[in-house]
Amino acid sequence: EVQLVESGGGLVQPGGSLRLSCAASGFPLSSYWMTWVRQAPGKGLERVANIKEDGNEKNYVDSVKGRFTISRDNAKKSLYLQMNSLRADDTAVYYCAAAPNQWYLDYWGQGTLVTVSS
Amino acid sequence: DIQMTQSPSSVSASVGDRVTITCRASEGLGSGLGWYQQKPGKAPNLLIYHTSSLFSGVPSRFSANASATDFTLTISSLQPEDSATYYCQQANTFPHTFGQGTRLEIK
Repeated sequence: EVQLVESGGGLVQPGGSLRLSCAASGFPLSSYWMTWVRQAPGKGLERVANIKEDGNEKNYVDSVKGRFTISRDNAKKSLYLQMNSLRADDTAVYYCAAAPNQWYLDYWGQGTLVTVSS
Repeated sequence: DIQMTQSPSSVSASVGDRVTITCRASEGLGSGLGWYQQKPGKAPNLLIYHTSSLFSGVPSRFSANASATDFTLTISSLQPEDSATYYCQQANTFPHTFGQGTRLEIK
C-alpha cells in the first residue's frame, strides 16, 4: 500500500523556520519526482516546489524562492521542505505528493498544517 | 505563469445527472492537463492525466476531453460520493498551476 506521511507542521512566528518531512512507503521513491503542494485555509491548491528523482533538479514557485529548500533522501525514503523567513501568507496545509513524471500527482499524503502567526 | 480558469465555480446537480466542468488555459498546453477530486478535509485524488486518460481505479463515469485551450471533465451519471471540489492542473510548465476549483453539490 502506498503511503506518504507528512510531519513537522505547527505554529511558528513570522520570520521563523520549520522543517517538514514526508516518509514514503509502498512505491519506489527513487523513480518518482516529489512535490510539495500547499492549500491555504478555504483556498485552492498551489504547487510550492518539486524535485527530480535523483535530486539534481529542483523548482520553486516565485513566492518561496530564496526562503524554502526542497530536498530528498532516497535511502531514507524521505522528502523534506526547509521553510525559512516564514510569513503569514505561508499559512496552509502542506501536502507531499509523488509523480512518476513531474506533471501529474499520483499519490498524496494526508497533509500537515503550518500556521504562521504571532 | 499559465493561468487556469475553471467554470462554473460551483454547481448543484441530482443523482444520475450528467455534469460538465470546464477549464480554460491562458495558453496552449502541449503537455496536457490533469483533473483532481478533493473531498473536505482530505487530500486531492488524481482522476485524469494527459488530458483524457483515466487514472487507475477511477470509475468509468468520469471522462475528459479537450479542444485548443478548453478542457472538460464530465461525470456521466452523478453519484452521491461525487460531491467534492474538482481542480484542473496544467502540465506544461512549472509551477503546473491549478484552476481555482469547482464545488459540486448533490441536490
